[in-house]
Amino acid sequence: SAVISQKPSRDICQRGTSLTIQCQVDSQVTMMFWYRQQPGQSLTLIATANQGSEATYESGFVIDKFPISRPNLTFSTLTVSNMSPEDSSIYLCSAADTPTDTQYFGPGTRLTVL
Amino acid sequence: ILNVEQSPQSLHVQEGDSTNFTCSFPSSNFYALHWYRWETAKSPEALFVMTLNGDEKKKGRISATLNTKEGYSYLYIKGSQPEDSATYLCALMFSGGYNKLIFGAGTRLAVHP
Repeated sequence: SAVISQKPSRDICQRGTSLTIQCQVDSQVTMMFWYRQQPGQSLTLIATANQGSEATYESGFVIDKFPISRPNLTFSTLTVSNMSPEDSSIYLCSAADTPTDTQYFGPGTRLTVL
Repeated sequence: ILNVEQSPQSLHVQEGDSTNFTCSFPSSNFYALHWYRWETAKSPEALFVMTLNGDEKKKGRISATLNTKEGYSYLYIKGSQPEDSATYLCALMFSGGYNKLIFGAGTRLAVHP
């Protein structure tokens, strides 16, 4: 299993600003995933990030709003751009070696946008 | 639309009680079902991955069953303890090009001493 850390663990941000969330894995992994859980909703996949290629975004999520970097096999960042109160959510990253493997999750970043 | 339903939404039990909750999903194109436990401020923890109809998995006091033909899975906790308090998430992976986990909204369990 992989151990995953995220920074920051929580933040309160002003409308119109951007926040970059970092995700660090303690071992090399092929795939990293970014999820969002809005209040009262299910965890929803934002995008899949593989090293050396562009992230693949799910329907309803776009690169301009959620740019993702994956510079190596142990690290990824998600930026939430031009934030509005609707972006207030818990953001989680996860990692796996194949799409069908068990995914291991970070502890999440709790974001509040005022 | 691939929808994963969990019930109940929340559950309060007394320490020592046994409890169970349900994950329902479309039975066509089933590939795998994952159960996770998510305690507040911690990482979701993988409990089980189930792929075969009739699968039963057990980890300590927690067990799960799977019926892919009728589209449901049950998670059982025997002799609940306060440390079992968490949100239990069910996530499905479907075949046919959907290489991603689709999560239910979770069942929030509170075990009172």
